[in-house]
Amino acid sequence: NAGVMQNPRHLVRRRGQEARLRCSPMKGHSHVYWYRQLPEEGLKFMVYLQKENIIDESGMPKERFSAEFPKEGPSILRIQQVVRGDSAAYFCASSPEGRRNEAFFGQGTRLTVV
Amino acid sequence: AQSVTQLDSQVPVFEEAPVELRCNYSSSVSVYLFWYVQYPNQGLQLLLKYLSGSTLVKGINGFEAEFNKSQTSFHLRKPSVHISDTAEYFCAVTFNTGGFKTIFGAGTRLFVKA
Repeated sequence: NAGVMQNPRHLVRRRGQEARLRCSPMKGHSHVYWYRQLPEEGLKFMVYLQKENIIDESGMPKERFSAEFPKEGPSILRIQQVVRGDSAAYFCASSPEGRRNEAFFGQGTRLTVV
Repeated sequence: AQSVTQLDSQVPVFEEAPVELRCNYSSSVSVYLFWYVQYPNQGLQLLLKYLSGSTLVKGINGFEAEFNKSQTSFHLRKPSVHISDTAEYFCAVTFNTGGFKTIFGAGTRLFVKA
């Protein structure tokens, strides 16, 4: 059973470009969470999704950021018109139905905006 | 309001010495408690968790933690550290508000010296 898979591991984007971060949850997991880790800081909650639904997006910036978890395929975190301040590590976690308090984390995607 | 505080940003310790990394939280609802370790440029690895039952929890790599409900603490301990324990340690608390939002502490950098 593969763990939570995130790709790419490293992503470099120029200011103004779009960044797409992908997360494939563990097999059988229907809950996905995205977190952002700024340099020298802890992880900050961004969004919680179930299949085809956003449950809690209270941690998402109001502009340029969006997330989806379609019926088929990975969860996508999209950042439009990236700025230098978006440079961070973005972590995805997943948990199974009925055990939402047990989240397993991916290795993260390190986004660098140049 | 819910919050998680890791009281020490850095903890230097000599090899084979004991260590305690402190974590306190504030909450009016029930909680689930976790400790994660992050090695440089790596993802998060779960060390241990408290969901219910015995308040003394044993994890991987010889770590243990004790849930103290009256003091709202979940301190991490190891009786004898190794050089390889040098890493960033994050305390995380999932608050049972229906949405199971997880808040991370800012992290404690454990530095083990020879």
